[in-house]
Amino acid sequence: DVKVTQSSRYLVKRTGEKVFLECVQDMDHENMFWYRQDPGLGLRLIYFSYDVKMKEKGDIPEGYSVSREKKERFSLILESASTNQTSMYLCASSATPNYGYTFGSGTRLTVV
Amino acid sequence: GEDVEQSLFLSVREGDSSVINCTYTDSSSTYLYWYKQEPGAGLQLLTYIFSNMDMKQDQRLTVLLNKKDKHLSLRIADTQTGDSAIYFCAEGNTGTASKLTFGTGTRLQVTL
Repeated sequence: DVKVTQSSRYLVKRTGEKVFLECVQDMDHENMFWYRQDPGLGLRLIYFSYDVKMKEKGDIPEGYSVSREKKERFSLILESASTNQTSMYLCASSATPNYGYTFGSGTRLTVV
Repeated sequence: GEDVEQSLFLSVREGDSSVINCTYTDSSSTYLYWYKQEPGAGLQLLTYIFSNMDMKQDQRLTVLLNKKDKHLSLRIADTQTGDSAIYFCAEGNTGTASKLTFGTGTRLQVTL
């Protein structure tokens, strides 16, 4: 089975800190995605990547950046964390053609 | 842009059937998906249906697609307490860099 691993389940960071969320997949998938999940809002796409060093903005990219230096790893960066970025962050990957995503377990980030 | 809508909450008795509904707006959707999220976990792909199909059955799960009305439903027969979770509907295409659009999720509560 494809495995998508997110490095942390829970994180607490201070306002203004630079935060790195790491995601690694082990099945050579081309596509990787970062979503945030908030109650009542569902999943909102932050950034995605369809190849190494390629990235595309999603619906809510403001305040975030990403890095994909290797095919298996997709990092989400909060340049200067703010309290409104407190959320559950979900990483996912998929092959092409896309028959659905495989998700990681999520990282619950709290910014204080 | 694309939009996917679901009701937020459904409560059923153990042993009854559950029906979770979803509407979407993108008429070019190739695949439609149902995901399940248990507390504190990522999303797990339950099933998907190709847009030229009307129905797909997989054990206790039945997916119905009305493409004309852009309406998707998930029926869970003989609902069990272990089915309590949030269910997400998603739509998308299989092309390169394709991304899925998710609904807000329906919380299914199974009572004894």
